[in-house]
Amino acid sequence: GAGVSQTPSNKVTEKGKYVELRCDPISGHTALYWYRQSLGQGPEFLIYFQGTGAADDSGLPNDRFFAVRPEGSVSTLKIQRTERGDSAVYLCASSQGSGGDRRETQYFGPGTRLLVL
Amino acid sequence: AQSVSQHNHHVILSEAASLELGCNYSYGGTVNLFWYVQYPGQHLQLLLKYFSGDPLVKGIKGFEAEFIKSKFSFNLRKPSVQWSDTAEYFCAVNARNSGNTPLVFGKGTRLSVIA
Repeated sequence: GAGVSQTPSNKVTEKGKYVELRCDPISGHTALYWYRQSLGQGPEFLIYFQGTGAADDSGLPNDRFFAVRPEGSVSTLKIQRTERGDSAVYLCASSQGSGGDRRETQYFGPGTRLLVL
Repeated sequence: AQSVSQHNHHVILSEAASLELGCNYSYGGTVNLFWYVQYPGQHLQLLLKYFSGDPLVKGIKGFEAEFIKSKFSFNLRKPSVQWSDTAEYFCAVNARNSGNTPLVFGKGTRLSVIA
């Protein structure tokens, strides 16, 4: 079976522009996570979806960041008015999301490398 | 809030040397513990995980880790490293609350294995 996929793999944009990053989770996984990894750091949590709803968006740095998952599968992370500080690798992960068993493994995609000039 | 500390930023070893990478976490409740590896040019992959039971867990490629609850530690070990183990290693933890919770990662340890 296919793993988590993310597109694009690289994105270069100018300061102030709008970008969308896409994540396609493992088929059947209901839990989906977005993380951001800056150079020399570990991944940092942004937002978590269980099904279509955002169960925890406490990691979003500000209101320029928004994510959706309208049909409970593919998710899009949207960044408005990009800033140079948004440059990072954006990672998506998914897990089964069975809920009753809280011992789940998150599987990561290859990431989207965003560069804001 | 949870946090994870990885003591070594960059470790350089010769092939066949033994490896131990430190990981400590801060959280008072029940946790799940993970080690992920990122080989050059590849994405994060699960190396091993601990949920409960035997505190010594074995993962892929000869890696193992030991959970010591009293020390809040989950150190990664391998008796004899190979050049192909050159990679970045991340320790991660999440709380075992109701529902799923996001992972908290350490800053990572870069391992370079030289011939």
